[in-house]
Amino acid sequence: GAGVSQSPSNKVTEKGKDVELRCDPISGHTALYWYRQSLGQGLEFLIYFQGNSAPDKSGLPSDRFSAERTGGSVSTLTIQRTQQEDSAVYLCASSELPGQRETQYFGPGTRLLVL
Amino acid sequence: AQSVTQLGSHVSVSEGALVLLRCNYSSSVPPYLFWYVQYPNQGLQLLLKYTTGATLVKGINGFEAEFKKSETSFHLTKPSAHMSDAAEYFCAVSPNFGNEKLTFGTGTRLTIIP
Repeated sequence: GAGVSQSPSNKVTEKGKDVELRCDPISGHTALYWYRQSLGQGLEFLIYFQGNSAPDKSGLPSDRFSAERTGGSVSTLTIQRTQQEDSAVYLCASSELPGQRETQYFGPGTRLLVL
Repeated sequence: AQSVTQLGSHVSVSEGALVLLRCNYSSSVPPYLFWYVQYPNQGLQLLLKYTTGATLVKGINGFEAEFKKSETSFHLTKPSAHMSDAAEYFCAVSPNFGNEKLTFGTGTRLTIIP
């Protein structure tokens, strides 16, 4: 079946602009994660959606970052007033069930460049 | 709190040689451990994971890893490298209960020399 898809694959924006990144998880997966992969860094957890529960936003680096998941499926990560340090690859992952032992399936990522 | 250290950001091995990618973790509670691989311009793909049971875990593409609690290690090995193994490899840890998420290492880029 189809895997996790993300759009756009690449995004170039000017400092100060807002951007929206989209994630379509695998159908039926209840858990959805956003990560950020910066140059030379590991993957940094951003936010976690589990079913209808309130999302875990503990990884969001600032209040310029927000995310929502509509209808338990598609998720959008929004970055307001982008800064150059926001340049990174943003990865989305989903798992069939919540929980640490569950395998996360990753999308190809959105490469964001803030000029 | 948990953390992952991957020794060597770049590793080069000859085709047919042993692949050894090192991962050490720190966790205050028993961990779940994972290795993911990222091929160029692709998302991460799970290679293998240790949750409970046998400490030697076999994954896809001939890779395996052994959980050694006494050494807090989860090194990834493959007996004979193939050109298609060239990729970036990430080790990750999570606690086996609670709500903490996966913590990833900074990755090791594996290059295969023909």
